Amino acid sequence: GAVVSQHPSWVICKSGTSVKIECRSLDFQATTMFWYRQFPKQSLMLMATSNEGSKATYEQGVEKDKFLINHASLTLSTLTVTSAHPEDSSFYICSARRLAGDADTQYFGPGTRLTVL
Amino acid sequence: GQNIDQPTEMTATEGAIVQINCTYQTSGFNGLFWYQQHAGEAPTFLSYNVLDGLEEKGRFSSFLSRSKGYSYLLLKELQMKDSASYLCAPMDSNYQLIWGAGTKLIIKP
Repeated sequence: GAVVSQHPSWVICKSGTSVKIECRSLDFQATTMFWYRQFPKQSLMLMATSNEGSKATYEQGVEKDKFLINHASLTLSTLTVTSAHPEDSSFYICSARRLAGDADTQYFGPGTRLTVL
Repeated sequence: GQNIDQPTEMTATEGAIVQINCTYQTSGFNGLFWYQQHAGEAPTFLSYNVLDGLEEKGRFSSFLSRSKGYSYLLLKELQMKDSASYLCAPMDSNYQLIWGAGTKLIIKP
């Protein structure tokens, strides 16, 4: 199956600092990537849709100035959590959309666990 | 509105068969996905149905009825490693996946 990587796997940072998370599709090109957040025992929450070469589309309630998304190439999207606070501590997961024939599938990265002290 | 309905939790015995049902309502429909998610990990893709009927893939099969807004995931020959949450995710007209809370499956020896 298709492979999507995320880096870092986990990060601990101080309140007020910024953290960048990378999402890469390793064996296919992804014009669209998605960023999700998941709190313990809760469902995935879509934060934003990242389209290569254009601005990301943010879901209602997600601050675009706080969660900066850059989709600079067909294989890389980055999420930067700016001025992180303890309430931003969560599991951040990216997915990449792969179109192959009639199939339209999202493949997930392994996730990044962010802890803000 | 858009919503997903799955049982919160199910328990089954190792070696047995279990069926996880899902009903959904979406704005438009572009197929339905099943994902497996182990605790603390990201979801992994299991299956995709866009036409009515049964798709079989090894021990896992997925069924779709678009007219009824209904799908199920069938797991055969259950193994302990199948203990996980199973997420039913239909894709809406904007090609976005709609997520519910999933079904936590507990496998007992």
